Amino acid sequence: KNQVEQSPQSLIILEGKNCTLQCNYTVSPFSNLRWYKQDTGRGPVSLTIMTFSENTKSNGRYTATLDADTKQSSLHITASQLSDSASYICVVSSMDSSYKLIFGSGTRLLVRP
Amino acid sequence: ETGVTQTPRHLVMGMTNKKSLKCEQHLGHNAMYWYKQSAKKPLELMFVYSLEERVENNSVPSRFSPECPNSSHLFLHLHTLQPEDSALYLCASRLDRGSNQPQHFGDGTRLSIL
Repeated sequence: KNQVEQSPQSLIILEGKNCTLQCNYTVSPFSNLRWYKQDTGRGPVSLTIMTFSENTKSNGRYTATLDADTKQSSLHITASQLSDSASYICVVSSMDSSYKLIFGSGTRLLVRP
Repeated sequence: ETGVTQTPRHLVMGMTNKKSLKCEQHLGHNAMYWYKQSAKKPLELMFVYSLEERVENNSVPSRFSPECPNSSHLFLHLHTLQPEDSALYLCASRLDRGSNQPQHFGDGTRLSIL
């Protein structure tokens, strides 16, 4: 069964610190993996997308990694800011059906001053 | 601003009411989606439209009825809903349904069923 598991479920860090969010998936055959950021009361916004051949991609202070062999991805946030407080959602698509995305439950991040 | 606008942002309705959710995009995208987001659960795909044709109906109860009159507009008609239908309803669009381009989401309609 195609699944996406994220950990931790929630995380609290102090402003300025780094953190890493994890995503494990069982989707096959794999097409691509996206990380979305969802602020409270808003829709998700795409941060990065990686295909099978890419193992790292950066977007400002956000760096995503992908290990297609172990089917794991991580999102690293550097020098966190209060505005990073949000839910981060890992989304995987399968080659079988590229319009059907498999969503993780998200990691809720709170950055405290 | 993602380019996808949803109205209303909040809706409270009784179980016997009929209401509609509206989604609009002017990004030139050909595919539009309805999702349901409940607390601590993954987004659930409800419907997919590609070039105004419904290509996916993910076992959604008939009390939810989508409509796509053109590629820029998507509606979700609601009638005789249940309390468990209370959730955030998100609309998204994408260049094409098979594209690797990201989906662009609206900010959702927060629906509460009394």
